[in-house]
Amino acid sequence: EPEVTQTPSHQVTQMGQEVILRCVPISNHLYFYWYRQILGQKVEFLVSFYNNEISEKSEIFDDQFSVERPDGSNFTLKIRSTKLEDSAMYFCASKERTGGMQNIQYFGAGTRLSVL
Amino acid sequence: DAKTTQPNSMESNEEEPVHLPCNHSTISGTDYIHWYRQLPSQGPEYVIHGLTSNVNNRMASLAIAEDRKSSTLILHRATLRDAAVYYCILRTILSGNTPLVFGKGTRLSVIA
Repeated sequence: EPEVTQTPSHQVTQMGQEVILRCVPISNHLYFYWYRQILGQKVEFLVSFYNNEISEKSEIFDDQFSVERPDGSNFTLKIRSTKLEDSAMYFCASKERTGGMQNIQYFGAGTRLSVL
Repeated sequence: DAKTTQPNSMESNEEEPVHLPCNHSTISGTDYIHWYRQLPSQGPEYVIHGLTSNVNNRMASLAIAEDRKSSTLILHRATLRDAAVYYCILRTILSGNTPLVFGKGTRLSVIA
């Protein structure tokens, strides 16, 4: 069964460093998302991406964050200068299209980001 | 997306049926009821969704009240692997590319 793949599974970084979290969405999917989950808290939306541009972003997704789909398969989340409060699980999700059964989001297993 | 209310936690014995309730009294006619679950240390996973009629799939059944103000996710025989947080989320038929909005969900514990 096709799945969303995220790498690395765990990233440790120093405060102020840049990190790039990588995702390979399911191949025929058109819509892409990043969510995060701080330990013990709810899953929160960060950004959605379609047709090579951001569709929607939350207030969490400030100027320190950016997303890119550099080729036909990868979808990346970059945090330019990490803060302690960026420590969380980051989930990538993808969706085939809108409507009916296609309106289901498929999530990766996540990347645990630890900022020291 | 309209608001849902779920119990914080539930417990079940292994191989027993589990009924996970969700209240959505402000549901509109164009809202689908979606259920996702999150296994420990995993990303959320789609379970099932429906609009008005009851739905069955290989993972679960979804029973929707006639007035649609509540629904119940039914796991017919809980296994240890079903221990997870279950989220009930309303999605308008017009939701398009909008993100999922997760609440706190119901944490299901399964006892061997």
